[in-house]
Amino acid sequence: EPEVTQTPSHQVTQMGQEVILRCVPISNHLYFYWYRQILGQKVEFLVSFYNNEISEKSEIFDDQFSVERPDGSNFTLKIRSTKLEDSAMYFCASSSQRTGNLAKNIQYFGAGTRLSVL
Amino acid sequence: QKEVEQDPGPLSVPEGAIVSLNCTYSNSAFQYFMWYRQYSRKGPELLMYTYSSGNKEDGRFTAQVDKSSKYISLFIRDSQPSDSATYLCAIHNNDMRFGAGTRLTVKP
Repeated sequence: EPEVTQTPSHQVTQMGQEVILRCVPISNHLYFYWYRQILGQKVEFLVSFYNNEISEKSEIFDDQFSVERPDGSNFTLKIRSTKLEDSAMYFCASSSQRTGNLAKNIQYFGAGTRLSVL
Repeated sequence: QKEVEQDPGPLSVPEGAIVSLNCTYSNSAFQYFMWYRQYSRKGPELLMYTYSSGNKEDGRFTAQVDKSSKYISLFIRDSQPSDSATYLCAIHNNDMRFGAGTRLTVKP
């Protein structure tokens, strides 16, 4: 069964460093998403991406964050100058559509990258 | 008012019990309603989805939506220890909004 894969599973970094979290979405999906889950808190939407552009972003997704699809398979989240409060699980998700047919809207999630900022 | 509200629990039940998990939402424009299950240190996994008021059944799981009350529920019959996880309701219009998740433990 196709799945979303994320690497690394755990990333440890020093405060102020840049990190890149990587995702390989399901191959025929066109919409890509990043979510964040701080320990013990809810899953929060960060950004959606389609056709090499950001479709929508939350207020969490400030200038510190950027996303990119550098090639045909990877989808990355870059966090510049990490802060302690960026420590969280980061989930990537993908869907074949974003509106319309519900079945095609369904977002499939990766297992997540645990980011620890020291 | 939060877009999606869900009691985080924790909820602990004996094996075989019927479990009821609930969420409320504020925006009547939300069209699609989903339940995800998240095991510890894993990503959310889609359990059920629906877009209409009423019940949808899948094995031991029943999803219920009441759009007039903006209330959604997930019922688990004959609960098993393997059902122990965090259950997240999610509401979708153009993008997904999750509830806080309810942590469920089913004790053998």
